[in-house]
Amino acid sequence: QQPVQSPQAVILREGEDAVINCSSSKALYSVHWYRQKHGEAPVFLMILLKGGEQKGHEKISASFNEKKQQSSLYLTASQLSYSGTYFCGTEEKTGANNLFFGTGTRLTVIP
Amino acid sequence: ETGVTQSPTHLIKTRGQQVTLRCSSQSGHNTVSWYQQALGQGPQFIFQYYREEENGRGNFPPRFSGLQFPNYSSELNVNALELDDSALYLCASSFGGTSYEQYFGPGTRLTVT
Repeated sequence: QQPVQSPQAVILREGEDAVINCSSSKALYSVHWYRQKHGEAPVFLMILLKGGEQKGHEKISASFNEKKQQSSLYLTASQLSYSGTYFCGTEEKTGANNLFFGTGTRLTVIP
Repeated sequence: ETGVTQSPTHLIKTRGQQVTLRCSSQSGHNTVSWYQQALGQGPQFIFQYYREEENGRGNFPPRFSGLQFPNYSSELNVNALELDDSALYLCASSFGGTSYEQYFGPGTRLTVT
């Protein structure tokens, strides 16, 4: 089941913060976050395996609320290099190990 | 250490034809997953290969098939191409039959006319 991401697009000025949300209707085992720049392959950012887990990657961090089947990606003090489309990938508690990717959130950081 | 590579980069085929796409996995990875990404959409899981066996399949018809070789490289074959098969095909490598920390290749852009 494809997760729903919000917002679909966001424009930030350098230094501003943003939150991207990912929500699934299914019970989740893990949530994965990727960033894809235009014309390039998706790049792995982080994985959250346990409910309530929070992880950080430079100024990008994420949380996972297992009970609500939701995850949020936090980008603080955004940089121009953060521009791209962010995808969450969800692994459902069905025993299958494939990821369902959301439709993405296009983030544009301007000077 | 070599990254994930895919060939060809671009391909144009006619409806009804067959196509084979190739992927070499990241050094040290033994699992390859294939995804279809339509314009403006997220990647959709086609199937995964682990130790030369299919290890999971998404909601794609049987005309999408694959192989994994002893060196962990992989092929995606699509028969009886349809216009809707036009997309970017991505392969991603990982370790241990999981989808954790996948490394994606640059993709093959397939256009079906």
